Amino acid sequence: LAKTTQPISMDSYEGQEVNITCSHNNIATNDYITWYQQFPSQGPRFIIQGYKTKVTNEVASLFIPADRKSSTLSLTRVSLSDTAVYYCLARYSGGGADGLTFGKGTHLIIQP
Amino acid sequence: NAGVTQTPKFQVLKTGQSMTLQCAQDMNHEYMSWYRQDPGMGLRLIHYSVGAGITDQGEVPNGYNVSRSTTEDFPLRLLSAAPSQTSVYFCASSPQPGLDDTQYFGPGTRLTVL
Repeated sequence: LAKTTQPISMDSYEGQEVNITCSHNNIATNDYITWYQQFPSQGPRFIIQGYKTKVTNEVASLFIPADRKSSTLSLTRVSLSDTAVYYCLARYSGGGADGLTFGKGTHLIIQP
Repeated sequence: NAGVTQTPKFQVLKTGQSMTLQCAQDMNHEYMSWYRQDPGMGLRLIHYSVGAGITDQGEVPNGYNVSRSTTEDFPLRLLSAAPSQTSVYFCASSPQPGLDDTQYFGPGTRLTVL
């Protein structure tokens, strides 16, 4: 399981684009990058996963450069409801069953 | 489809008491796990199970027991509660590690040990 590093907190305003970058220098060939979102008093929720280049879904986009040593979660036109903690994980998805290791995540605060 | 359910939502115990946190999922997921989350911290894995009859320890297993007699249920037992076990406990399930390890979390149980 690759160690990940991400900012402890970020602030932005409604309508802005927010980019949260995660470093994973020792990512292994078989590791995928996955992001979860956690609202207060709720369990984390899967939002996006990728291996390389760009992945987009209805919630977010994920950009992964060719060297895969970092990744960026992009949220477009954020609203107050995007205030949450965002966790970046890099793990092997080829048979590992040892659970996920969540760091402290990035606390994103969106202001009016 | 209820997803992952946990009971109770809140619980207060006295030091030394025992109790069981319940977790159930109706998605026929093979993989289930328990995490604890302390204020300002990320989630830490307590125990996990890759299928009925199989359990294993995570990062912080001491003071907790689990069993997996059915695919649906994965209870977490506190043997003798201590104040250090005051935390929010999350149960999660995943379809099939290795093929789809997306984890689906329950709403959590907030436990206070006095």
